[in-house]
Amino acid sequence: GAVVSQHPSRVICKSGTSVKIECRSLDFQATTMFWYRQFPKKSLMLMATSNEGSKATYEQGVEKDKFLINHASLTLSTLTVTSAHPEDSSFYICSARRDRYQPQHFGDGTRLSIL
Amino acid sequence: KQEVTQIPAALSVPEGENLVLNCSFTDSAIYNLQWFRQDPGKGLTSLLLIQSSQREQTSGRLNASLDKSSGRSTLYIAASQPGDSATYLCAVRPFHPNFGNEKLTFGTGTRLTIIP
Repeated sequence: GAVVSQHPSRVICKSGTSVKIECRSLDFQATTMFWYRQFPKKSLMLMATSNEGSKATYEQGVEKDKFLINHASLTLSTLTVTSAHPEDSSFYICSARRDRYQPQHFGDGTRLSIL
Repeated sequence: KQEVTQIPAALSVPEGENLVLNCSFTDSAIYNLQWFRQDPGKGLTSLLLIQSSQREQTSGRLNASLDKSSGRSTLYIAASQPGDSATYLCAVRPFHPNFGNEKLTFGTGTRLTIIP
């Protein structure tokens, strides 16, 4: 089956640090990747959608200068949380989709804790 | 705007029992519906995907049904085991005029605990 790898699984860092999270599709080429945020005991909230080689499309209320998304290849997308603050602490999950006819496949998530 | 509801938010049942999880959605114009499992601190594992033209899908002890007209889906788990304990999420993919740009709408999940 389709495998999506997300790294790192957990990050703890000081306020003001920038943190990069990687999302890789291991056995397929993903034309589209998605980034979600999940608060405790809540469902997933879509942050942005990225198509390979294009700028990401951000959901309303998501700061694009705060959450930088790069999808430079068909197997890799990165999310960089710039100048992270405690309120950015959350669980971030990526997903990847081969093409528009296929379902999304999800990574294992990254627990980000900002001290 | 599509809204997806899962009730109850939490469910505990003894091992061995059969159980049903519920998912309801407000807009019946969907492309497909998917059931996921999420273990604590982990990502989503896809369990079953039902296309809008289908009524049900089965995988092992799991059976998912879809009734578009009433905006409901159920996930049936037979002979439950402690390893089934997890949060179960349903997600709806809507029809969109610009196919491919639609977003999944997730329910808030049902946290299932199987008591040994």
